[in-house]
Amino acid sequence: DQQVKQNSPSLSVQEGRISILNCDYTNSMFDYFLWYKKYPAEGPTFLISISSIKDKNEDGRFTVFLNKSAKHLSLHIVPSQPGDSAVYFCAASEGGIDKLIFGTGTRLQVFP
Amino acid sequence: GAVVSQHPSRVICKSGTSVKIECRSLDFQATTMFWYRQFPKQSLMLMATSNEGSKATYEQGVEKDKFLINHASLTLSTLTVTSAHPEDSSFYICSVRRRGPEIQYFGAGTRLSVL
Repeated sequence: DQQVKQNSPSLSVQEGRISILNCDYTNSMFDYFLWYKKYPAEGPTFLISISSIKDKNEDGRFTVFLNKSAKHLSLHIVPSQPGDSAVYFCAASEGGIDKLIFGTGTRLQVFP
Repeated sequence: GAVVSQHPSRVICKSGTSVKIECRSLDFQATTMFWYRQFPKQSLMLMATSNEGSKATYEQGVEKDKFLINHASLTLSTLTVTSAHPEDSSFYICSVRRRGPEIQYFGAGTRLSVL
């Protein structure tokens, strides 16, 4: 039973445009969500997080939106840059970050 | 710079041998570290929580006698895959937890291939 789902395995976006990565979850008890970026042969790098008491968190070019009623969160990258090309994972947890449940990832490719 | 160091990055071993993977927290003391496993085209799955000075907590379905975890200091946790078999071939990755804000930092991972 996949509690965190990233239904798009890949996404291709032109440089300068907006990248939108989506994530759905099934467990309504999740109260903390994180996005990680992963390059080949490297570990995931933390990007941004959001608590369930918020519906938006912004950090530079990255904004995460949370829609609790729809059990959906999204990561917006504006403007997209070629260096953003990587695999993006969303993760969710309940009552702290001791047990992160990860999605399967979305491979983002930003082309010139 | 890197917050977590994981070594080795790649291991190829024969079936039946044991393999030890190290995870070091570089920037802060970590009372808790985590071990994950990722099979191809699947998500990272938590295997166990490593607690400094006490026994690790294993997730359901993970054999504690096969995956030995030792968290002997505040900066080092080790995962030993005992009597490895081809089905243990996977990507193993560790993380450390930092509070304020709550973030898990990940190592670069270890690709284990058992022949």
